[in-house]
Amino acid sequence: GDSVTQMEGPVTLSEEAFLTINCTYTATGYPSLFWYVQYPGEGLQLLLKATKADDKGSNKGFEATYRKETTSFHLEKGSVQVSDSAVYFCALSYTGFQKLVFGTGTRLLVSP
Amino acid sequence: EAGVAQSPRYKIIEKRQSVAFWCNPISGHATLYWYQQILGQGPKLLIQFQNNGVVDDSQLPKDRFSAERLKGVDSTLKIQPAKLEDSAVYLCASSPSLRGGRHEQYFGPGTRLTVT
Repeated sequence: GDSVTQMEGPVTLSEEAFLTINCTYTATGYPSLFWYVQYPGEGLQLLLKATKADDKGSNKGFEATYRKETTSFHLEKGSVQVSDSAVYFCALSYTGFQKLVFGTGTRLLVSP
Repeated sequence: EAGVAQSPRYKIIEKRQSVAFWCNPISGHATLYWYQQILGQGPKLLIQFQNNGVVDDSQLPKDRFSAERLKGVDSTLKIQPAKLEDSAVYLCASSPSLRGGRHEQYFGPGTRLTVT
């Protein structure tokens, strides 16, 4: 079945450091890929998405590129801030069904 | 516009008791989802409604969990009787339509259930 694998956390960085959170997927078809973020005490929010191979999703300085050849959707940010501290979830879904399949989440801790 | 509303935010019960969670989706959203998020794991879909019909309940433990969306608007998820392993955050989400390629799901704040 379909699945998403994320790097284990926590990822601990200093402010202004470069961030990469790895995400790979296994899918029977051609899913859309997503990154969701969960800030402390809040619900999940969509951060960015990509619907087909080679698409790049971007938002709030975060980027991820849909790589079909490596079945990956790694999240990157050039300079993290303390306010980026949260749990990040990679997920996939299919058009017409929309059920999201999530990874286990990666906690990011950014210190001043 | 108002977001997805859930209540209660927190609930503590003893095992073998029953509990119910309520969700009010964003106005006009046809599709409603209930996810279970166990600590340290990603959310897992329990049930998906399109209007008041069930689209997917393949991962719902039907011997103890039930859900309804009678008028195609708000929804209730019930657990009876609860087990220790049901301790989790229960997330409700809604999206505009099952079809048409619109993927974004809007999540509520969740209900944190602790079973003792």
